[in-house]
Amino acid sequence: DAKTTQPNSMESNEEEPVHLPCNHSTISGTDYIHWYRQLPSQGPEYVIHGLTSNVNNRMASLAIAEDRKSSTLILHRATLRDAAVYYCILRAVLVTGTASKLTFGTGTRLQVTL
Amino acid sequence: DTEVTQTPKHLVMGMTNKKSLKCEQHMGHRAMYWYKQKAKKPPELMFVYSYEKLSINESVPSRFSPECPNSSLLNLHLHALQPEDSALYLCASSPGTAKSKNIQYFGAGTRLSVL
Repeated sequence: DAKTTQPNSMESNEEEPVHLPCNHSTISGTDYIHWYRQLPSQGPEYVIHGLTSNVNNRMASLAIAEDRKSSTLILHRATLRDAAVYYCILRAVLVTGTASKLTFGTGTRLQVTL
Repeated sequence: DTEVTQTPKHLVMGMTNKKSLKCEQHMGHRAMYWYKQKAKKPPELMFVYSYEKLSINESVPSRFSPECPNSSLLNLHLHALQPEDSALYLCASSPGTAKSKNIQYFGAGTRLSVL
């Protein structure tokens, strides 16, 4: 499985933008880049995903490098509720063509302060 | 309804006990998953079910026995566990179609303690 590398932790002030980097130099052409986050005492939660183009949704933006070897999750205005562990994951569809395999890396623990 | 419900929320069991974890979703998803998460570690995939059939077993010991009785339910039967099996057990589901947007939806987990 292709691996991802993320910083162990990052800090942000509330109301400021946060850029969470992820390196995935061994990504294959069929791997989608997914981001999930895990708030304290909860299961992981989907944030955003992309293949080649930059993506925006109501939660965040995903910027993907042209060579796809790195990506950045952007939270435009961090709030205290965004404090979580953020996982960058390369999703590969199983050979059955149905279920997808997520291999979680160690993630980035984001702290948000007032 | 985008909810995956796991019961119980907490479970304490002895090494000789037999217990089961339950997971339920009513989103019509055809793929369901069990993950194990130790404290301060990322989730690790254990089993994948696709259309009620076991697709992946990530070399999990036989003291963990999954079961998918129908498309909405996923069980994990536990027998003769060891203290090192204490962890948060997470269930997830996904649509199970060969589309790019195959997002997994996770439950809140069952926190298991083996004494």
